[in-house]
Amino acid sequence: EAGVAQSPRYKIIEKRQSVAFWCNPISGHATLYWYQQILGQGPKLLIQFQNNGVVDDSQLPKDRFSAERLKGVDSTLKIQPAKLEDSAVYLCASSAGWADTQYFGPGTRLTVL
Amino acid sequence: AQTVTQSQPEMSVQEAETVTLSCTYDTSESDYYLFWYKQPPSRQMILVIRQEAYKQQNATENRFSVNFQKAAKSFSLKISDSQLGDAAMYFCAYRSALNAGKSTFGDGTTLTVKP
Repeated sequence: EAGVAQSPRYKIIEKRQSVAFWCNPISGHATLYWYQQILGQGPKLLIQFQNNGVVDDSQLPKDRFSAERLKGVDSTLKIQPAKLEDSAVYLCASSAGWADTQYFGPGTRLTVL
Repeated sequence: AQTVTQSQPEMSVQEAETVTLSCTYDTSESDYYLFWYKQPPSRQMILVIRQEAYKQQNATENRFSVNFQKAAKSFSLKISDSQLGDAAMYFCAYRSALNAGKSTFGDGTTLTVKP
């Protein structure tokens, strides 16, 4: 069974530029999560989808971050414009349902210069 | 809001010995889930062990076991017979049984295993 796929693995941008990350969850998983993991900290939930609907986005900085889940499968997370403090690893995870085990992707390491 | 605290930023253990990683959490909810995740350097985060709050019996997975003290809101991880491959960052996480399972993670404990 294929795991959670993310791309790109690394991204370096200048501040005020925009960037997008892509996630392909495990087939059949209804719940998809985006986390931000700043160096030395634990993952912080940015947004959680159930199928193609948003369940929780209370910690998503909506003035610059946006996310969508197309047809309840793939998801993209966008940052526009990026700030220095957005430098982090962005983790995508999926689970069969919200009470089930979360499986994490390899993450995208973003550096904002 | 729930919080998860891991008070040991770094721990070390001798190979084949036992080590315990600490985790405390704060919640007003009565039903929830607790997890320990392992994140090896430059590798993906994987689930180590899971505990449902309604279960009194402590979860065990091979060399990994937990000490769940609900009243004290404590959830420690014991690793027995430590192996070099156990070296990683370990995260304690809380998941609400309400709010569609929103998860909160601690800031992690880096475990070093000495040969």
